This record gives sequence, structure tokens and C-alpha cells, in this order.
Amino acid sequence: DAGVTQSPTHLIKTRGQHVTLRCSPISGHKSVSWYQQVLGQGPQFIFQYYEKEERGRGNFPDRFSARQFPNYSSELNVNALLLGDSALYLCASSLIGPAGTNEQFFGPGTRLTVL
Amino acid sequence: AQSVTQLDSQVPVFEEAPVELRCNYSSSVSVYLFWYVQYPNQGLQLLLKYLSGSTLVESINGFEAEFNKSQTSFHLRKPSVHISDTAEYFCAVRNDYKLSFGAGTTVTVRA
Repeated sequence: DAGVTQSPTHLIKTRGQHVTLRCSPISGHKSVSWYQQVLGQGPQFIFQYYEKEERGRGNFPDRFSARQFPNYSSELNVNALLLGDSALYLCASSLIGPAGTNEQFFGPGTRLTVL
Repeated sequence: AQSVTQLDSQVPVFEEAPVELRCNYSSSVSVYLFWYVQYPNQGLQLLLKYLSGSTLVESINGFEAEFNKSQTSFHLRKPSVHISDTAEYFCAVRNDYKLSFGAGTTVTVRA
């Protein structure tokens, strides 16, 4: 079975632009979470979606938004990019939603560079 | 809110030597604790987890971690490291719908 896939793998944007990152969860997984990992730091939680609804949001500005589609894939959108948005964006999928102790499986990430 | 502190940012170690990576957490409720490993230019892979039961948990590649409630710690150990263990290691605590990660420990194994 394929693991979590993310696209693109690398992306270069300039300040003020908009970006869309994509994630496909493991087949059968209904929950998708997004994390931002700035160089030299641990990942920071951005969003969790379960059954196409937002179930949790981290401390990120409204420039960050996301959605989940009927096939459980997800998009993360970032508007008005800042230099500080440069990071590795990780997507994780899990079998069920917020309740329970189910494991989160991570994708390889999208490396975003903002110039 | 639950949080995690990893006490060592970098740990250099010789091949076949033991290694310990320290992790402390803060929580007032039941905890679910995890260690993830990140190899260069890759995503995170789960190394091991503590959910309940035995306080000593082991991974398939020789790592082990011990949950110590009184010391609020979840230190990771391996008795003999390999060059291939060179990576960044993250301790994390699950809080409802999200994982909260420490800042990471970079392990560099030298021959």
C-alpha cells in the first residue's frame, strides 16, 4: 500500500504570492493533519481535518487555510506569503479522528522556499 | 497545554557506543508519548510509542524508551548505535487531535 503522498516536493515562491500544497492520505484513513517544520525546529501543528470538517487548528494566522475533499485528500493554502513561511510542510494521516490513540503516519513533506 | 522538552540539541556518538536522548513532558492528564525519527530530507517515521501498560517500550531496530511518570520523562536509549542511526529524533506528546513536538535532537554517529 502507498503511504502518505504530498505534492509538490519542492516549491519556490516570492513574497506576497499564494501557494497550494496537496496531500493524499493512506487508503482508508479519514483524518489528515498539517504541520509546519521550520529549519532547526520541531513540527508545529497547523490543522486537523476529519470527515471533511476542521477538527482542530493551531496558532497560525488566517492566511493559512485548508480543506478536505470527499476522497479524504487535502489541500493547505497559504496566502500573502512571508519569508517566515519558508519551511517543510508535513501532512499526516490517521485512521480515525481526534478521539483515540491512533497513530499518525507522515508524508515526505513539501519544502517551501519564499524569496 | 501539554508540552515537550528535549534536553540535548546535538548528540555526537561513536559507532557501537550507547546513546540516550532525553525527553521531559508537562501534562496534567493521561499522556500518550511518541518518538519519531527524521532522516535527512525525509518526513517523520514513528520509532516507538507509549499509550498505556508496560512503561518500557521497544522498537524493532533496537531502540527503547521508558515512561517515568514521577519524573515526567520518556528518555530514548539504544545500547549500540550504527552509522545508519544518524538522524534527527523528535519526542512528541499527543493532546487530543494534535501532536506537540520537542525541538529535536540531532544524533551524529561517527566511525
